[in-house]
Amino acid sequence: EVQLVESGGGLVQPGGSLRLSCAASGFTVSSNYMSWVRQAPGKGLEWVSVIYSGGSTYYADSVKGRFTISRDNSKNTLYLQMNSLRAEDTAVYYCARGGVVLRYPTKAFDIWGQGTMVTVSS
Amino acid sequence: EIVLTQSPGTLSLSPGERATLSCRASQSVSSSYLAWYQQKPGQAPRLLIYGASSRATGIPDRFSGSGSGTDFTLTISRLEPEDFAVYYCQQYGSSRLFTFGPGTKVDIK
Repeated sequence: EVQLVESGGGLVQPGGSLRLSCAASGFTVSSNYMSWVRQAPGKGLEWVSVIYSGGSTYYADSVKGRFTISRDNSKNTLYLQMNSLRAEDTAVYYCARGGVVLRYPTKAFDIWGQGTMVTVSS
Repeated sequence: EIVLTQSPGTLSLSPGERATLSCRASQSVSSSYLAWYQQKPGQAPRLLIYGASSRATGIPDRFSGSGSGTDFTLTISRLEPEDFAVYYCQQYGSSRLFTFGPGTKVDIK
């Protein structure tokens, strides 16, 4: 079964750091493009970052310079290292797989994890 | 950066009615890279439509997408009880960044 399971969320003080993990099963993380998407309480979806199979990474302006996306191919796991956290980073963080149809990327996210909650508060 | 606007913010309809949701972009979006998602409370989003008009795997044919340029539409032909949810559009642009719209909530009238 194709599945994504996030972990690593929790309560952290402003200025602190946290690393989120997203373990994949049923497919290979390194062969796909993978993203993190977040949702603040009661708000809409906000794209955070993407990593492509070739290793290129991109970030939303709101997190650039503070967050780093990476993967461990041996563990088939995606990560999001979050530094200098702010109250406005409080959200449920989802990892998601980018879709491919007939070898062409759809740039849409076809598999999502259940999310992990990050709360930034003193 | 392309900004997506969705309207209406809330759509109040009855089961069996037709729902028409709009997604407007601040500049032209490639139809290949416009998607729609459904999200129910406490759940992760689910991909409905990609490439503006292609249904994702397992999505019923009452869901359809259309549009090009800056104006896109998600239509639910006959609302089923399980369709009451929040719907988001999403695009990928030349900046290599992704953006989501603010969402449209479809609730029961």
